[in-house]
Amino acid sequence: NAGVTQTPKFQVLKTGQSMTLQCAQDMNHNSMYWYRQDPGMGLRLIYYSASEGTTDKGEVPNGYNVSRLNKREFSLRLESAAPSQTSVYFCASSEELINAYNEQFFGPGTRLTVL
Amino acid sequence: AQSVTQLDSQVPVFEEAPVELRCNYSSSVSVYLFWYVQYPNQGLQLLLKYLSGSTLVKGINGFEAEFNKSQTSFHLRKPSVHISDTAEYFCAVSLDTGRRALTFGSGTRLQVQP
Repeated sequence: NAGVTQTPKFQVLKTGQSMTLQCAQDMNHNSMYWYRQDPGMGLRLIYYSASEGTTDKGEVPNGYNVSRLNKREFSLRLESAAPSQTSVYFCASSEELINAYNEQFFGPGTRLTVL
Repeated sequence: AQSVTQLDSQVPVFEEAPVELRCNYSSSVSVYLFWYVQYPNQGLQLLLKYLSGSTLVKGINGFEAEFNKSQTSFHLRKPSVHISDTAEYFCAVSLDTGRRALTFGSGTRLQVQP
């Protein structure tokens, strides 16, 4: 089991460029999440997908779009990158939305720099 | 909305000394509580969680945490730290209703010195 995988590991963009961050999980989980991590702020939820075919906004969705391609894959797209989107992005998954019986598993992260 | 406060951004401690990392939360409904650890240049790893039942929770690597509902706290403790415990520790909360994603604290960097 690879768990949660993310590609790429590192990326440098120029302002205005677009890119898609990929995430896949092999644990047959229904729910998937995208977070960003900034110094001194912990992780903040960008978007999540409770189940295949559904997506919902999190705390900081502006400037991002997501696609739940299938049960395994959940991608995050930056249509026009801005320096404020320089961050480390983490994908996570859980069997269902967090409850008394399950928890989130995190990928290794993508370090994105926007110049 | 729920929130999580980690009062200490950095905690320096000598090897083999005890340590406590503080976490307070605010929520008007029942919550689930978690501590995650992030080693340098790695993703997050679950240390322990409180879902219900006993308020003292034991996790991996000798860590434990105590849920105190009246104080709305979930402090993390270890009686004797090792150099390898040097990492960033995040407290997180999830509501048991609605959008059940994690809300994280800002993190505490534990620096274990020889």
